Amino acid sequence: NAGVMQNPRHLVRRRGQEARLRCSPMKGHSHVYWYRQLPEEGLKFMVYLQKENIIDESGMPKERFSAEFPKEGPSILRIQQVVRGDSAAYFCASSQGTGNGGELFFGEGSRLTVL
Amino acid sequence: QQPVQSPQAVILREGEDAVINCSSSKALYSVHWYRQKHGEAPVFLMILLKGGEQKGHEKISASFNEKKQQSSLYLTASQLSYSGTYFCGTAFTGGGADGLTFGKGTHLIIQP
Repeated sequence: NAGVMQNPRHLVRRRGQEARLRCSPMKGHSHVYWYRQLPEEGLKFMVYLQKENIIDESGMPKERFSAEFPKEGPSILRIQQVVRGDSAAYFCASSQGTGNGGELFFGEGSRLTVL
Repeated sequence: QQPVQSPQAVILREGEDAVINCSSSKALYSVHWYRQKHGEAPVFLMILLKGGEQKGHEKISASFNEKKQQSSLYLTASQLSYSGTYFCGTAFTGGGADGLTFGKGTHLIIQP
């Protein structure tokens, strides 16, 4: 039973380009969370999605960032016109039910470097 | 609203015990503990829910003081494999409407 799959594992972009990060949740999981982690910082919540719905995007910057979790296919975190401050590790997690009362399963992360 | 963890770092010898604390300024529905090794994904350790329910691994113990909005993770007879960064995550509602808010982490180093 495959775990949470994220790709790419490493992504290098120049300032102004777009970054697309993909996350396939564990089989049977319909809840997806995206977190951003900077060195020596905790995991910062960005967005919580269920299939075709954004449930909570309170942690996501209003501009340049968007997320989706379509009926078919992986969840995608999209960062437009990247800046150096976007360099970070982005982790996706999935859960069977709501994460507040259950275990989150994390992917290995996607490490974005903006030159 | 980010929970505060203490200590920031701790160094132990194998076999020693450690306590990691997590406190919140806001009323909590649940507290979650995860461990992350360098370059790897965070791994679930335990959940403590309002009302006393706990779910987690048998060798891990923790407490949740709802009135004080605090939780502590107890690591006894530490092993080398316990090394890593421990994060507490807090949830303020039970309906799944908010994602977990994690603290900055506690670095644990176990020496032989």
